[in-house]
Amino acid sequence: NAGVMQNPRHLVRRRGQEARLRCSPMKGHSHVYWYRQLPEEGLKFMVYLQKENIIDESGMPKERFSAEFPKEGPSILRIQQVVRGDSAAYFCASSPTRYNEQFFGPGTRLTVL
Amino acid sequence: ELKVEQNPLFLSMQEGKNYTIYCNYSTTSDRLYWYRQDPGKSLESLFVLLSNGAVKQEGRLMASLDTKARLSTLHITAAVHDLSATYFCAVDMEYGNKLVFGAGTILRVKS
Repeated sequence: NAGVMQNPRHLVRRRGQEARLRCSPMKGHSHVYWYRQLPEEGLKFMVYLQKENIIDESGMPKERFSAEFPKEGPSILRIQQVVRGDSAAYFCASSPTRYNEQFFGPGTRLTVL
Repeated sequence: ELKVEQNPLFLSMQEGKNYTIYCNYSTTSDRLYWYRQDPGKSLESLFVLLSNGAVKQEGRLMASLDTKARLSTLHITAAVHDLSATYFCAVDMEYGNKLVFGAGTILRVKS
């Protein structure tokens, strides 16, 4: 039973480019959470999605960031016009229902040059 | 707004010694998690604590939860070098909606 998968594992972008981060939840999990970890800090919640719906996006920056979890395919976290401050590790977690433990993927480490 | 505070933030220990990491949170919560993170890696789930008075042990680590004091502890017994990592506590504030993490405790065990 494969765990949560994220790709790419490492992503380098220049300022102003777009970054797309993908997350495939564990089999049977329909709830996806995105967290961001800045260097030397703890994880901060960004957004919680269920298939085709955004449940809670209270942690998402107001501009340039968006997330989706379509009926088919992985969840996508999209960052437009990246800036150096976006450099961080982005973790995805999934759970089978809202009330179960979240399982974390390996993360995508984004570096903005 | 829920706040989760860990202390200490950095802990340097000698092998064989005991120590405790503390996790305080500011509002009532449904459950509390402890995770381990090695450099450049993802989070490994260590413990899930669901109720007041819960105590769980795995090897040299023991976690407890006091919901009345809004305090969880992670106790390390007879530390070994392999325990060197960053340890996070996280609180589930809205029953499955999202986790709020502490800043993490960097643990270094010296031989």
